Amino acid sequence: GQQVMQIPQYQHVQEGEDFTTYCNSSTTLSNIQWYKQRPGGHPVFLIQLVKSGEVKKQKRLTFQFGEAKKNSSLHITATQTTDVGTYFCADYNTNAGKSTFGDGTTLTVKP
Amino acid sequence: NAGVTQTPKFRILKIGQSMTLQCTQDMNHNYMYWYRQDPGMGLKLIYYSVGAGITDKGEVPNGYNVSRSTTEDFPLRLELAAPSQTSVYFCASSSRQGAYEQYFGPGTRLTVT
Repeated sequence: GQQVMQIPQYQHVQEGEDFTTYCNSSTTLSNIQWYKQRPGGHPVFLIQLVKSGEVKKQKRLTFQFGEAKKNSSLHITATQTTDVGTYFCADYNTNAGKSTFGDGTTLTVKP
Repeated sequence: NAGVTQTPKFRILKIGQSMTLQCTQDMNHNYMYWYRQDPGMGLKLIYYSVGAGITDKGEVPNGYNVSRSTTEDFPLRLELAAPSQTSVYFCASSSRQGAYEQYFGPGTRLTVT
């Protein structure tokens, strides 16, 4: 079946540093969704990217979809302690109505 | 709106026991999903439903069963629990329009010993 891979698995940063997580697939992705899960919590939807080369921003977060629709990235500028958590990408197949999730990148931020 | 609710929050089962995890959503969403999340891992799709009366297997359906008799409810049944089913179980729902964002419930932490 399709695999969605995320790197790195873990990232430790000092508060104020930038952070990037990457999502890759060997096959073309349909729609990319990004979720955040706080420790002990449940995943919360952040954004969906649909078009090749699409870039969207939410305050300090920048989301990109690759030109070939085989990769995506989430970049956080000047991390804060509130950014702590695990970030998941998911390939959402609109025809099937279901998602394939990556294993996530866990971010820790040292104050 | 309560969103997606799950019961129970925690449960300990003995090997071979059975149980049903309850999931209800009040957003009139057509799509509903069951995922399991093992420690430090991503979400694996167990079963999903695109509407009342329709269910489909996901990546890891063995040992589980579901039903969808109403739009609101999507219970997950574990038969003959095994230690490998120790996990956190999340139910989610989404609309079939717009951004298809999935709304997750708070999860059920299940331990099988």
